[in-house]
Amino acid sequence: DTAVSQTPKYLVTQMGNDKSIKCEQNLGHDTMYWYKQDSKKFLKIMFSYNNKELIINETVPNRFSPKSPDKAHLNLHINSLELGDSAVYFCASSREGRNTGELFFGEGSRLTVL
Amino acid sequence: AQSVAQPEDQVNVAEGNPLTVKCTYSVSGNPYLFWYVQYPNRGLQFLLKYITGDNLVKGSYGFEAEFNKSQTSFHLKKPSALVSDSALYFCAVRDTGFQKLVFGTGTRLLVSP
Repeated sequence: DTAVSQTPKYLVTQMGNDKSIKCEQNLGHDTMYWYKQDSKKFLKIMFSYNNKELIINETVPNRFSPKSPDKAHLNLHINSLELGDSAVYFCASSREGRNTGELFFGEGSRLTVL
Repeated sequence: AQSVAQPEDQVNVAEGNPLTVKCTYSVSGNPYLFWYVQYPNRGLQFLLKYITGDNLVKGSYGFEAEFNKSQTSFHLKKPSALVSDSALYFCAVRDTGFQKLVFGTGTRLLVSP
């Protein structure tokens, strides 16, 4: 069983379109994240949710809107896609607690905006 | 803000030789440090972490890392490299008070046969 699963794995779309990426974790973790990895492989956090509550919202355009219907799911919706949104988007989850911090990552969703 | 630096974009090593991938950190308070590995077209996988305790931390696949407070470093090491270790390695630090990791820029490890 895949611990953190994302769909779709690949997404190719035109500028201006709206798209969503879904993420599910079956680890029973309380916290989920979206990270963006650009073409230079830099990884930057975008959002984090804890028990369906938004706790981290980095400087991300408001075209990006996360939604967590329950603590096992965290989806990412992107409006009015731009060329610069092309990247690999990683979902991750972790257990809460000061002595944790180990993140479990999904396989990534590669978004290409044409 | 907490941060880590990986000074090398790429490290080349011959199979069977020891390897070191460097990481230095900048934190306020006690550091929570991590190493992750990313194979091509895959997500990141946890290798090891330092929270407290022994300065030498052992992790997955024979990797270990040495926490050095005076040099603010957390270098990843392995006594004998394998070709299959070739991947992208990320050092990370946990941000104080927040449930998030801040990653370094990554170091590509290339192990030649």
